[in-house]
Amino acid sequence: DADVTQTPRNRITKTGKRIMLECSQTKGHDRMYWYRQDPGLGLRLIYYSFDVKDINKGEISDGYSVSRQAQAKFSLSLESAIPNQTALYFCATSVAGTNNEQFFGPGTRLTVL
Amino acid sequence: QQQVKQSPQSLIVQKGGIPIINCAYENTAFDYFPWYQQFPGKGPALLIAIRPDVSEKKEGRFTISFNKSAKQFSLHIMDSQPGDSATYFCAARKGGANNLFFGTGTRLTVIP
Repeated sequence: DADVTQTPRNRITKTGKRIMLECSQTKGHDRMYWYRQDPGLGLRLIYYSFDVKDINKGEISDGYSVSRQAQAKFSLSLESAIPNQTALYFCATSVAGTNNEQFFGPGTRLTVL
Repeated sequence: QQQVKQSPQSLIVQKGGIPIINCAYENTAFDYFPWYQQFPGKGPALLIAIRPDVSEKKEGRFTISFNKSAKQFSLHIMDSQPGDSATYFCAARKGGANNLFFGTGTRLTVIP
């Protein structure tokens, strides 16, 4: 079984709809992240959480919100989706420490029409 | 503003060649520089990483060269293979934080 899972893997929605992307991990890591990947822009951090009670904005948090329901679960919401939020979204996890290796999920491809 | 600048955007080499991917940064607070490898349909995975107190790190066919004074680092892939075809991202982290700033990625194609 995959250590970091994301659901759904693909989603097509319409402008203005509310969308939730979910991430679960079985690695026991305390830190979780949401990124979006766009061609030519690389990976950009949306939100991150160091534990259940700690939520922080990343580089591009406008238009997004998150919820850390448990140590193992971190959800990303688009309250009112717009076409320029069409992207590949990745969840990642890590432990605290000097090396900070991040383990990525398989991604969710979101299309906003 | 892109905190880590990566080039080239794409690269095609013959099998056995040595592709080189370059990254540059400005923020001297960065203290950890990883490279991630991403295959189509997969999430990125850590390939190799370096700290600025060393000038080179080698793991198998993958080598990072680090030039602290120039604020540049690069990935070299020795004896490249078709299986190395992937997108490569450099990244950097500020000391004391866990956030990674990623480069824009390089799509590498190794031709058999």
